[in-house]
Amino acid sequence: RKEVEQDPGPFNVPEGATVAFNCTYSNSASQSFFWYRQDCRKEPKLLMSVYSSGNEDGRFTAQLNRASQYISLLIRDSKLSDSATYLCVVIERSGSARQLTFGSGTQLTVLP
Amino acid sequence: DVKVTQSSRYLVKRTGEKVFLECVQDMDHENMFWYRQDPGLGLRLIYFSYDVKMKEKGDIPEGYSVSREKKERFSLILESASTNQTSMYLCASTGNTIYFGEGSWLTVV
Repeated sequence: RKEVEQDPGPFNVPEGATVAFNCTYSNSASQSFFWYRQDCRKEPKLLMSVYSSGNEDGRFTAQLNRASQYISLLIRDSKLSDSATYLCVVIERSGSARQLTFGSGTQLTVLP
Repeated sequence: DVKVTQSSRYLVKRTGEKVFLECVQDMDHENMFWYRQDPGLGLRLIYFSYDVKMKEKGDIPEGYSVSREKKERFSLILESASTNQTSMYLCASTGNTIYFGEGSWLTVV
């Protein structure tokens, strides 16, 4: 049973479009949430942390809904350079130990 | 600038060889992880460690072992490499967020 569900896409959108990704998680004790971006043949890199109050960075907005146990990422005014795979990550803490659970990744292609 | 370093970026090994993949982090993190990533399969956890000399199996530990003798170094060992272990291997460590190494591309022929 997968603990973090993420729509794998692919999402193909024109430049300038708004696109949204969601992830649902099953463990209500999950404590930290992130969106990572991964380019082809590269390591994942942190895009945004996700908070219940929402987090906005330029064209990107991330949101956490604890009641419904999902996190979202909204990209406005898509650019060609936004083409990548977007991974959601959930972290659970137990003392000093960390358990990481990744979504399977959503592939985004922004078309000219 | 925080860093997770995977010293071997591209390796080609023969079936049956012993392979060492090294990962070093400079952030004094307690938690370190080894993943492999294959097309269409996402990140799969091989082993992780939450302290020196501590190790825990992940989802796909078969054919692998690990070593954590020092806090900053977490090594992945393929005791006898097989062709189905051809993959990209990613090391990660966690503080408040997750930091990845650049990946080690292993081809077993």
